[in-house]
Amino acid sequence: AQTVTQSQPEMSVQEAETVTLSCTYDTSESDYYLFWYKQPPSRQMILVIRQEAYKQQNATENRFSVNFQKAAKSFSLKISDSQLGDAAMYFCAYGKKTSGSRLTFGEGTQLTVNP
Amino acid sequence: ETGVTQSPTHLIKTRGQQVTLRCSSQSGHNTVSWYQQALGQGPQFIFQYYREEENGRGNFPPRFSGLQFPNYSSELNVNALELDDSALYLCASSHAGQGHNEQFFGPGTRLTVL
Repeated sequence: AQTVTQSQPEMSVQEAETVTLSCTYDTSESDYYLFWYKQPPSRQMILVIRQEAYKQQNATENRFSVNFQKAAKSFSLKISDSQLGDAAMYFCAYGKKTSGSRLTFGEGTQLTVNP
Repeated sequence: ETGVTQSPTHLIKTRGQQVTLRCSSQSGHNTVSWYQQALGQGPQFIFQYYREEENGRGNFPPRFSGLQFPNYSSELNVNALELDDSALYLCASSHAGQGHNEQFFGPGTRLTVL
């Protein structure tokens, strides 16, 4: 079974600084997707960034980028120039390509941004 | 393009009762997945519906059941409610065949079982 582990229950960062959230996963599949979702206090889960396992290039979306290490099964999220609006719970998620849209989530990392 | 909507926003039930939660998928999406998110935890997959049939199920008992309608909206039904069923229930829609597995989530229904 696939598992996703986020070892940092809480992280904090100063506004305008950079922070990295960690995620590791376990799978026997060779092709899959990895995601970072953001869940603010409003509860709505918002997709931050997506990485396809077969793509060697790390995904980037504006201030958000990932460090995808397939052999190590590691998928960290880097947030640059942190803003107050980035404060939220961040979830790492895994999805098999063959099983449709079922996602396996980690336990989450609560990010605080200090002014 | 309308996003995923869920109703109701909040719900309070007592142990042993039954509850129905509703979800309208995003326009153009044909697949709906339901997740249970206990307080302080990540979402757990309950089941998925595609073309009105259950298409995958997580580790949840049969008292969790669902439906998908021709317009791709969906219901989650929970019978014989237990205290541990108290959680945020998230609905997510996607389009099977797009290949990238991206799901769009609704705001959730907060269920409290007393």
